[in-house]
Amino acid sequence: EIVLTQSPGTLSLSPGERATLSCRASQSVSSSYLAWYQQKPGQAPRLLIYGASSRATGIPDRFSGSGSGTDFTLTISRLEPEDFAVYHCQQYGSSPFTFGPGTKVDIK
Amino acid sequence: QVQLQESGPGLVKPSETLSLTCAVSGYSISSGYYWGWIRQPPGKGLEWIGSIYHSGGTYYNPSLKSRVTISVDTSKNQFSLKLSSVTAADTAVYYCVRRSFSDYWGQGTLVTVSS
Repeated sequence: EIVLTQSPGTLSLSPGERATLSCRASQSVSSSYLAWYQQKPGQAPRLLIYGASSRATGIPDRFSGSGSGTDFTLTISRLEPEDFAVYHCQQYGSSPFTFGPGTKVDIK
Repeated sequence: QVQLQESGPGLVKPSETLSLTCAVSGYSISSGYYWGWIRQPPGKGLEWIGSIYHSGGTYYNPSLKSRVTISVDTSKNQFSLKLSSVTAADTAVYYCVRRSFSDYWGQGTLVTVSS
């Protein structure tokens, strides 16, 4: 089973700042099958990025994903008020599909 | 617009079987993709339970495999989850999703295991 570690656990930033979130895998993720989700309280997660770097339909271009192998990054270029949420990474390259513990981005 | 909607009991007794159904609209399950279940205990992270292909092939999380069954009913355009011998540790919000990277999610349904 691939274990995903996300850092930092909490990221405190101001609107307009750049957010850089990390997701590290215990072994190489097959074919960069790595996804990122945003989750707000009381809501289902929303797909942001799949295939490590492809934006999902309707996702603003301030969200970008990068990385391969065991190290992946989600970058939010300029935080908007609606971006303060929890972000999860998931690998779907090998079963069982696994999620990281999440990074909370909150307002500084 | 693709929509997924979970349904089933919100309260299940310990040792009994949790049963949920996900109704899909806006897309025919028969057309393809994997369809799956993910759960989230209150205040905790996400856990993949398993997935089923439209033709019936399944993948389950080994940690739950002995207790999980996922099935698909293409005639009703829905798929289902059964989790047997539940305990309080199975209390969670259960989501149904489309695809291995989940591009569409149901709203989620809270299932509480309690006597």
